[in-house]
Amino acid sequence: AQSVTQLGSHVSVSEGALVLLRCNYSSSVPPYLFWYVQYPNQGLQLLLKYTTGATLVKGINGFEAEFKKSETSFHLTKPSAHMSDAAEYFCAVSGANQAGTALIFGKGTTLSVSS
Amino acid sequence: GAVVSQHPSWVICKSGTSVKIECRSLDFQATTMFWYRQFPKQSLMLMATSNEGSKATYEQGVEKDKFLINHASLTLSTLTVTSAHPEDSSFYICSARDPTQGGYTFGSGTRLTVV
Repeated sequence: AQSVTQLGSHVSVSEGALVLLRCNYSSSVPPYLFWYVQYPNQGLQLLLKYTTGATLVKGINGFEAEFKKSETSFHLTKPSAHMSDAAEYFCAVSGANQAGTALIFGKGTTLSVSS
Repeated sequence: GAVVSQHPSWVICKSGTSVKIECRSLDFQATTMFWYRQFPKQSLMLMATSNEGSKATYEQGVEKDKFLINHASLTLSTLTVTSAHPEDSSFYICSARDPTQGGYTFGSGTRLTVV
C-alpha cells in the first residue's frame, strides 16, 4: 500500500524567493512519485515524475524534485517563485510496475506568491 | 503522450436525476481507468478502479449503487451518478495509466452541480 504526506497545507513566499514544498511517502514496493499542479477549476497538470534512474528530476516551469529513498521524501523546489506559480500542488505515489493500481494523492499544498 | 478526454466538462442537474460522465482514451487502449472525486479545497479521493469487461472495484465508503461505473470497451469508461443529490456536487476526474511513459494521464474533469 502507498500513502503520501504533504507537510504544510499552505506555503507563502515572495516573488523571487525559493519555493520548497515538502512530500514524504510510504510504499511497500519501489515507488513512482509525481508532482501535479492544479489551477482553480481546472484539471491536473504534471510537473514532473520519478520512475527510475536519476534521483534529481527536472520538470516544467523551472521546478525540480529529488527522490531520497533514505528519507522517503520527494520535495519540490523552484529557485525563484513567480506570481503565476500560485496554485494548488499535489504530490502522488503509485507502485512501480503495478499497472492496475491507482495514483494516491497527498492532501495538497496551496502556494501563495506575493509581490 | 497518451490523452484522456472527459465529457462533459460541467453539468448542472436537478436533484433526483442521473448524470453520465464519459472518459475516453484517445490514442491508446486503457484496460484500467480510475475515477476520482475532489471537493472544493481538498485533494483527489479515489472512488473506484474501472476494469474493462469486468466489475469496477470501489473504495471503501463509496456507494456502488449510486456511482455506477461501466467499462465496456478498451477506450471508454463511464461514471453515472444516479439519483443525484446536492451533496453529490463535486469535481469528478478520470485517469488512466500512460502506457508509453509509465505515468498517469488525467481527464480535464467534470464539475457536477446538483440543484
